[in-house]
Amino acid sequence: GQQVMQIPQYQHVQEGEDFTTYCNSSTTLSNIQWYKQRPGGHPVFLIQLVKSGEVKKQKRLTFQFGEAKKNSSLHITATQTTDVGTYFCAGIDNYGQNFVFGPGTRLSVLP
Amino acid sequence: ETGVTQTPRHLVMGMTNKKSLKCEQHLGHNAMYWYKQSAKKPLELMFVYNFKEQTENNSVPSRFSPECPNSSHLFLHLHTLQPEDSALYLCASSQAVLANTEAFFGQGTRLTVV
Repeated sequence: GQQVMQIPQYQHVQEGEDFTTYCNSSTTLSNIQWYKQRPGGHPVFLIQLVKSGEVKKQKRLTFQFGEAKKNSSLHITATQTTDVGTYFCAGIDNYGQNFVFGPGTRLSVLP
Repeated sequence: ETGVTQTPRHLVMGMTNKKSLKCEQHLGHNAMYWYKQSAKKPLELMFVYNFKEQTENNSVPSRFSPECPNSSHLFLHLHTLQPEDSALYLCASSQAVLANTEAFFGQGTRLTVV
């Protein structure tokens, strides 16, 4: 079945440094979504990517969908303490009915 | 507030108890989901309901029993659970399965089985 992997599992950065998490799928994806879960909170939708090579930006966050639609990345520029949390990607392939979540990357930002 | 409400927020139950988790969504969505989130594991999809019909059961043990009386409400009935069932149980809803729209999650029920 479809598998979604993310690296790194954990990332500790100093406030102001950049951060990137990578998402890889075992199959070609139809769409990919990104979610953020704050400590003690629930996942909150950030964005959905659909097109090959698509790049979307939300303020300091840049999301990219790979040309082969098997990988994606989330890059945060100049991290802030409010960026702390776990970032999940969730992908769906052409054969699946539901999104499959990756294990997440837990980001810690040291002030 | 996400429009998806889960109760209770915390639950401690013995292995012989029977309890139910409740989820309610006010978003007019037609698909509702139960996920299990354990430490060190990815979000695990347990059950999916689309237009009140169960469309997916991911090999979940029978001690978990879902119920979807209408598109706005979803229950997870629990009985004779094991300590390894302790986890955060998240309910989510979306416009519909295969609609490829975002999922809205509730705040979850933190379940501890003793």
